[in-house]
Amino acid sequence: KQEVTQIPAALSVPEGENLVLNCSFTDSAIYNLQWFRQDPGKGLTSLLLIQSSQREQTSGRLNASLDKSSGRSTLYIAASQPGDSATYLCAVMDSSYKLIFGSGTRLLVRP
Amino acid sequence: EPEVTQTPSHQVTQMGQEVILRCVPISNHLYFYWYRQILGQKVEFLVSFYNNEISEKSEIFDDQFSVERPDGSNFTLKIRSTKLEDSAMYFCASSELTGANYGYTFGSGTRLTVV
Repeated sequence: KQEVTQIPAALSVPEGENLVLNCSFTDSAIYNLQWFRQDPGKGLTSLLLIQSSQREQTSGRLNASLDKSSGRSTLYIAASQPGDSATYLCAVMDSSYKLIFGSGTRLLVRP
Repeated sequence: EPEVTQTPSHQVTQMGQEVILRCVPISNHLYFYWYRQILGQKVEFLVSFYNNEISEKSEIFDDQFSVERPDGSNFTLKIRSTKLEDSAMYFCASSELTGANYGYTFGSGTRLTVV
């Protein structure tokens, strides 16, 4: 059964720092991996999607990598801003096209 | 940019009552999904729907739950007799194909509170 784990559970950094969020999954038979942002009480905003055949994707200050064989992904946020404060969720699409989510990393960027 | 629209944004219901959560998927999408997130817990899969039938459902999706595409635009989740533990944020999503290439688009969710 696919399990997705995210470390750390919470992170507090000063504005301007570069940071890395980690995601691991137990079954490498995935179609893709997505990173989402969730603001408190709100919906899921897709940030980046990495196909299983890809190694990384970039969007602005965000860069996500995928190492399928080792079951790991990282989300790198450059030059963090207070507006980046949110919960970041990692999800993998399994062999039946379902998304399996991690518990998220709660990020606080302090001004 | 096309959106998945969910209504209502918040619903409060008495235990034992039936509720219908509504979703309008993106018009050219063929696959539809419901996920839920109990406060403080992971987002979890409920059901997928394609070609007017359920493709897959989770253990959570028992006989109290049903889904329907009553017309060409709406996709609904019905909970027949709500329990306190059904209180959660319910997310609808749709994808053009299976989602393997481009992922899903999620709606902004319906917060269901059962009292």
